[in-house]
Amino acid sequence: DGGITQSPKYLFRKEGQNVTLSCEQNLNHDAMYWYRQDPGQGLRLIYYSQIVNDFQKGDIAEGYSVSREKKESFPLTVTSAQKNPTAFYLCASARGGWANEQFFGPGTRLTVL
Amino acid sequence: QKEVEQDPGPLSVPEGAIVSLNCTYSNSAFQYFMWYRQYSRKGPELLMYTYSSGNKEDGRFTAQVDKSSKYISLFIRDSQPSDSATYLCAMSASETSYDKVIFGPGTSLSVIP
Repeated sequence: DGGITQSPKYLFRKEGQNVTLSCEQNLNHDAMYWYRQDPGQGLRLIYYSQIVNDFQKGDIAEGYSVSREKKESFPLTVTSAQKNPTAFYLCASARGGWANEQFFGPGTRLTVL
Repeated sequence: QKEVEQDPGPLSVPEGAIVSLNCTYSNSAFQYFMWYRQYSRKGPELLMYTYSSGNKEDGRFTAQVDKSSKYISLFIRDSQPSDSATYLCAMSASETSYDKVIFGPGTSLSVIP
């Protein structure tokens, strides 16, 4: 079955530690995204990538980093520089040229202890 | 003023009721309007996608856009307990601008059997 997978589902991190969230898709989509979802707020774009080896900052990129070495994979690293990292993180993908029709993964809940 | 506003609810209705979910927006450049459904602890899934003003129907769901009032609605007829979820509106000015899809905060809906 085609889809997007994110792992882990739940992640706990101590303050000061970097952590990497995994996102993999087998939909053959060119574009991939990372969003953060907090209660009472819309999805906020962290980073996006339209093509392999290229990515752009979204609205809230500070404290995060990404890579896009393969079409299928778009991992997100939450660094210790991110001031308030506890949130629900969503990865999405879209066909090239169809940015409005995004397919989302199941999400990763990150909690900083 | 936020670009996209949505009543967070929660909205609770009896099974079989007609549900109306709404979003208002401030950017007159928006032309593409989406509704996503998000079940608890899951990623959003695209439910409806419309362009410009007018209505679009898909089974029990009808999306309505009034660009003159900057107001969009999603109607659910014969609501079912399985419709219990958070509904996110989203909009953009372009089909291809990957960083310009704006999401509302979502309305939580409960359909009571």
